[in-house]
Amino acid sequence: DIVMTQTPLSSPVTLGQPASISCRSSQSLVHSDGNTYLSWLQQRPGQPPRLLIYKISNRFSGVPDRFSGSGAGTDFTLKISRVEAEDVGVYYCTQATQFPYTFGQGTKLEIK
Amino acid sequence: QVQLVESGGGVVQPGGSLRLSCAASGFTFSSYGMHWVRQAPGKGLEWVAFIRYDGSNKYYADSVKGRFTISRDNSKNTLYLQMNSLRAEDTAVYYCASNWGGILDYWGQGTLVTVSS
Repeated sequence: DIVMTQTPLSSPVTLGQPASISCRSSQSLVHSDGNTYLSWLQQRPGQPPRLLIYKISNRFSGVPDRFSGSGAGTDFTLKISRVEAEDVGVYYCTQATQFPYTFGQGTKLEIK
Repeated sequence: QVQLVESGGGVVQPGGSLRLSCAASGFTFSSYGMHWVRQAPGKGLEWVAFIRYDGSNKYYADSVKGRFTISRDNSKNTLYLQMNSLRAEDTAVYYCASNWGGILDYWGQGTLVTVSS
């Protein structure tokens, strides 16, 4: 199974400041079809997960442009350019390159 | 808009069975693969199972293989998860999620399954 490792596990951030979360996979996420199926999910308190970014850097419908994704191969990053109060929650990276799909441990974003 | 509504959760004794349902609307259900993902209380996400749009292929996490069965009824726009031989470690909120080209794009609100004597 592909192991997804996120850092940090907790990230206290000041409102209006940037935040960054890293995700590393135990093997390359490049699929035989050439795509890299790395997504980022946001889970606000008491809510189900919500798709933010798919295939490394594509923002899903309705996702604010302060969220961006980057990376390649085994190393990926989610960045929030200016954190807002509604961004509080847990962020997960996930791979869908091969079964079983796997998730990172989650990174808790909180306001300082 | 896309809606996924899970139901069927509850309290069950160890060794018991439960069937979860996920009613889909707002998209062409029969064209999309579907997943079940679970989240134990206070823990992270764990992928459980996937079924292709036509039910032709199914995949399972090792932790549930042989005990859980994913299925679908495209005429009813409904996804199912039959859970047998339940264990305490199966206690979790179970989410269904739609699959768009390998991406879990829409998620339901979840249904809580508690396995306890």
